[in-house]
Amino acid sequence: GEDVEQSLFLSVREGDSSVINCTYTDSSSTYLYWYKQEPGAGLQLLTYIFSNMDMKQDQRLTVLLNKKDKHLSLRIADTQTGDSAIYFCAESSGGYNKLIFGAGTRLAVHP
Amino acid sequence: GAVVSQHPSRVICKSGTSVKIECRSLDFQATTMFWYRQFPKQSLMLMATSNEGSKATYEQGVEKDKFLINHASLTLSTLTVTSAHPEDSSFYICSARDSRDYEQYFGPGTRLTVT
Repeated sequence: GEDVEQSLFLSVREGDSSVINCTYTDSSSTYLYWYKQEPGAGLQLLTYIFSNMDMKQDQRLTVLLNKKDKHLSLRIADTQTGDSAIYFCAESSGGYNKLIFGAGTRLAVHP
Repeated sequence: GAVVSQHPSRVICKSGTSVKIECRSLDFQATTMFWYRQFPKQSLMLMATSNEGSKATYEQGVEKDKFLINHASLTLSTLTVTSAHPEDSSFYICSARDSRDYEQYFGPGTRLTVT
């Protein structure tokens, strides 16, 4: 079945760039998403990329997609303490926009 | 922007009782809503897909008689946890798919604690 994997933890210094990686198995994925979850809250859609794109940039966020290797990454430039959260990678390919989530990467930003 | 609300945000109930959680799309219509469950420090697991006016589609391993889903209108879906047990304690998150652009928007979640 479909599977999405992420590293569980990333620690960066404030002002540095963060890169969160994700791999997926479903070659028919149409959209790939990045969501942010702060403690005790729901999910906030950060950005998404269509499977026929290689890169998408949105302010401090850059998404890179290597469809051949089924690898997705999220780069956060100039990481701030407010970026500390859990970041979920998700893919969608089936009907009704069913999302398959990774386990989430906990990003810790320290001074 | 599209907003999805959930009510209640937190609920504590006794073992054996039932709890209803509401998911509302506030400024858009959603023919499809999704219910997820999230255990501490784990990912979201899709429980069921709720379609307005028809029966919900449950994921494998989810008991449909225990987790009753009703999607009676284009802006409201409810999840009722029947005969709750401590192992049902979890964070339940809904999402609603906007009928206009098919994007999925998430609610803030409901933390259920069964004592």
